[in-house]
Amino acid sequence: SQQGEEDPQALSIQEGENATMNCSYKTSINNLQWYRQNSGRGLVHLILIRSNEREKHSGRLRVTLDTSKKSSSLLITASRAADTASYFCATGTGGFKTIFGAGTRLFVKA
Amino acid sequence: ETGVTQTPRHLVMGMTNKKSLKCEQHLGHNAMYWYKQSAKKPLELMFVYSLEERVENNSVPSRFSPECPNSSHLFLHLHTLQPEDSALYLCASSQDPAGRGDTQYFGPGTRLTVL
Repeated sequence: SQQGEEDPQALSIQEGENATMNCSYKTSINNLQWYRQNSGRGLVHLILIRSNEREKHSGRLRVTLDTSKKSSSLLITASRAADTASYFCATGTGGFKTIFGAGTRLFVKA
Repeated sequence: ETGVTQTPRHLVMGMTNKKSLKCEQHLGHNAMYWYKQSAKKPLELMFVYSLEERVENNSVPSRFSPECPNSSHLFLHLHTLQPEDSALYLCASSQDPAGRGDTQYFGPGTRLTVL
């Protein structure tokens, strides 16, 4: 079964609104990462949060991690049309296996 | 540009063909990865090399054969593929010789179609 599962599967918002995506996972982790993918392209790393961290910011991105609930959220504030992409969470559990979820497809309408 | 390049970007091949995908990283990283991304499925890890040694092999069919001649180059040799192997194949690298699950840098992918 998947380690990371994103919710919602798809999200459509207006430009300027905030977008929140959630990720749940099943086992203990060393870190959790969020990646972005534009259609048919490679993934781009956004942010990494370690298991002993609770919140991290990078520009318009805010990531939270709740290890007791085994969940994380990615907030994009003041969204732009260029934020339209798929967003994936990925869990690092030790070793080389980083397990990716199925992703949330975000569509930001101009 | 992430510093990871992949060629070709698109490949169409018949089931009896033999082809190779190439990945090159210009980041000085120690670990390289092959992933398969099929429509509506999570990214699937296929192989991992660390310091040119294969450290992960995720039950991938033998019709996929990886090769890592040095820490900057990674190949995926393909032969007698099936139509269900059609997918986006992504290469990634990381500065992670100890396997801590750190940030990976992805190439743009090769879109493979098997007829």
